[in-house]
Amino acid sequence: NAGVTQTPKFQVLKTGQSMTLQCAQDMNHEYMSWYRQDPGMGLRLIHYSVGAGITDQGEVPNGYNVSRSTTEDFPLRLLSAAPSQTSVYFCASRTGYGVTTDTQYFGPGTRLTVL
Amino acid sequence: AQKVTQAQTEISVVEKEDVTLDCVYETRDTTYYLFWYKQPPSGELVFLIRRNSFDEQNEISGRYSWNFQKSTSSFNFTITASQVVDSAVYFCALSDPTSRAQGGSEKLVFGKGMKLTVNP
Repeated sequence: NAGVTQTPKFQVLKTGQSMTLQCAQDMNHEYMSWYRQDPGMGLRLIHYSVGAGITDQGEVPNGYNVSRSTTEDFPLRLLSAAPSQTSVYFCASRTGYGVTTDTQYFGPGTRLTVL
Repeated sequence: AQKVTQAQTEISVVEKEDVTLDCVYETRDTTYYLFWYKQPPSGELVFLIRRNSFDEQNEISGRYSWNFQKSTSSFNFTITASQVVDSAVYFCALSDPTSRAQGGSEKLVFGKGMKLTVNP
């Protein structure tokens, strides 16, 4: 198992550019999510998905789009990048949802800089 | 609303010292999970422990131990005989089952993290 993989590891964008952060997992997990990590802020949930075709907003969804066409993949799209989106982005997955959920496992992160 | 507070932002110790990382949480739910994650300088997030709200037994794993006290809403983490490899940012997190009850999915709420530096 590769676990949760993310690409790219690093990315520099100019304001207004668009890009997609890729996330994939090979553990057949139903639940996937995207977080951003900013200094002194901990991790904040951007969007999540409880299964293919189902997505929902987290705490800080503005400026980001997601889709879940397969169980394995959960890409995060920045339609028009802004300097405020400079951050480290983590994708995570776990087996299901509910109180008895399994533990959430994280990808290695993508460090994004928007100039 | 759920909230996790890690009051210490940064701690520096000398190798072999014991160190305790504090975590205080707020929730109205009676059933929830608490987690600790480690983020070493390389940047990845490493799962350390999960504890459910019905199990207040302390847990020990090697040099790591966790003290869960519902009466004080705390889930503290102690590293005994710290080593340089323990240097990392440590996050405490709380599950948020309220979102699931509202038709969504349980989410994790993170504290802001605590940077531990262990000096040789």
